[in-house]
Amino acid sequence: AQSVTQPDIHITVSEGASLELRCNYSYGATPYLFWYVQSPGQGLQLLLKYFSGDTLVQGIKGFEAEFKRSQSSFNLRKPSVHWSDAAEYFCAGLVSGGSNYKLTFGKGTLLTVNP
Amino acid sequence: NAGVMQNPRHLVRRRGQEARLRCSPMKGHSHVYWYRQLPEEGLKFMVYLQKENIIDESGMPKERFSAEFPKEGPSILRIQQVVRGDSAAYFCASSPTGGNNYGYTFGSGTRLTVV
Repeated sequence: AQSVTQPDIHITVSEGASLELRCNYSYGATPYLFWYVQSPGQGLQLLLKYFSGDTLVQGIKGFEAEFKRSQSSFNLRKPSVHWSDAAEYFCAGLVSGGSNYKLTFGKGTLLTVNP
Repeated sequence: NAGVMQNPRHLVRRRGQEARLRCSPMKGHSHVYWYRQLPEEGLKFMVYLQKENIIDESGMPKERFSAEFPKEGPSILRIQQVVRGDSAAYFCASSPTGGNNYGYTFGSGTRLTVV
């Protein structure tokens, strides 16, 4: 079955530290992959997406993600975290063709940023 | 250029009442998707609609839930005879064409509380 897994429920980092949020996927074919951020009480904002091509994808707010087929991973990174990055982060995927509108989400990783 | 608009932002209903959630897609978007986010869960696909058509309702509960997207006006997600387990955040997304090739735009959601 198609699935997206975020192994870390909650991560705490200090402001200025680097960040890596993990995402693993299980699909029969190479999926389209996305990272979304949700601030408390808000909707989801798209940070970045991977469709094909370069495996290192740049997004908004200084985030990047690397697609690694050999590890079935699409981890989100940021070199220096700001207090305003505290939010919940969701990885999502879908397969091209067929039902190419049905996003499968991970359960999310809650990021806390300490001053 | 307004984004995806959902209202109300918060909705409180007593058990047995009806809940109506509205979603106005971005201008020029004729495809709407509804997702539900239960506490501590990722978003789960519910239904995909085009104007006057339900394309895929495979994620909708079999009873009490219905959705429509009329020729004029917003898309409506209707929950009849609400129960406590319906308490969740309901998000709507829209796209200009079918599929998620460019990344959905999500609304800010409606948080339904059933008391």
